[in-house]
Amino acid sequence: QKEVEQDPGPLSVPEGAIVSLNCTYSNSAFQYFMWYRQYSRKGPELLMYTYSSGNKEDGRFTAQVDKSSKYISLFIRDSQPSDSATYLCAMSVGGNYGQNFVFGPGTRLSVLP
Amino acid sequence: GAVVSQHPSWVICKSGTSVKIECRSLDFQATTMFWYRQFPKQSLMLMATSNEGSKATYEQGVEKDKFLINHASLTLSTLTVTSAHPEDSSFYICSARRTDYLYEQYFGPGTRLTVT
Repeated sequence: QKEVEQDPGPLSVPEGAIVSLNCTYSNSAFQYFMWYRQYSRKGPELLMYTYSSGNKEDGRFTAQVDKSSKYISLFIRDSQPSDSATYLCAMSVGGNYGQNFVFGPGTRLSVLP
Repeated sequence: GAVVSQHPSWVICKSGTSVKIECRSLDFQATTMFWYRQFPKQSLMLMATSNEGSKATYEQGVEKDKFLINHASLTLSTLTVTSAHPEDSSFYICSARRTDYLYEQYFGPGTRLTVT
């Protein structure tokens, strides 16, 4: 079992839809959870990060963490064609500077006009 | 916002030559920087972790003599691909973790390397 799993998609939705992107993980020690967006041929862009369980909202984006289920989600409201990208989740145990983030493989999202 | 730059953004080189890629954190200090490789439609593959002033830590299977990493300051890390071969052609992305906020890690725009 991979440490972080994510449905690779592609996920196609119509413009204006609510999008739900998810990751599951196996390491219960993960404390920090991040979501990145990557456009084709570009570096990933940090969207949001959350600590431990709960929700965090930023504009049209909501990140949700359920540590009991080892499941995190990113919701995108009123999706736009410009949201078409690959979304990567990442997580970390925390601690020292060199601690690596573990990335999911990414979900390709396509928002159709 | 936190910005990481990479230079060059793309490079074509001949087989057997060496190529240096620079990664800079422009508005923050980064004790730790990471180098990733990404093939088309695939996820990021961590190559190495570098801490300022220390030797880089390479992931299993990554040749340290081929991919030389130097992290000489809190804002600059370099990756040199030595004796490049066509199979080294890939998208190389660096990321920098903020020294003051450890859970903010920002990526550069990537460098596309083509070895002919």
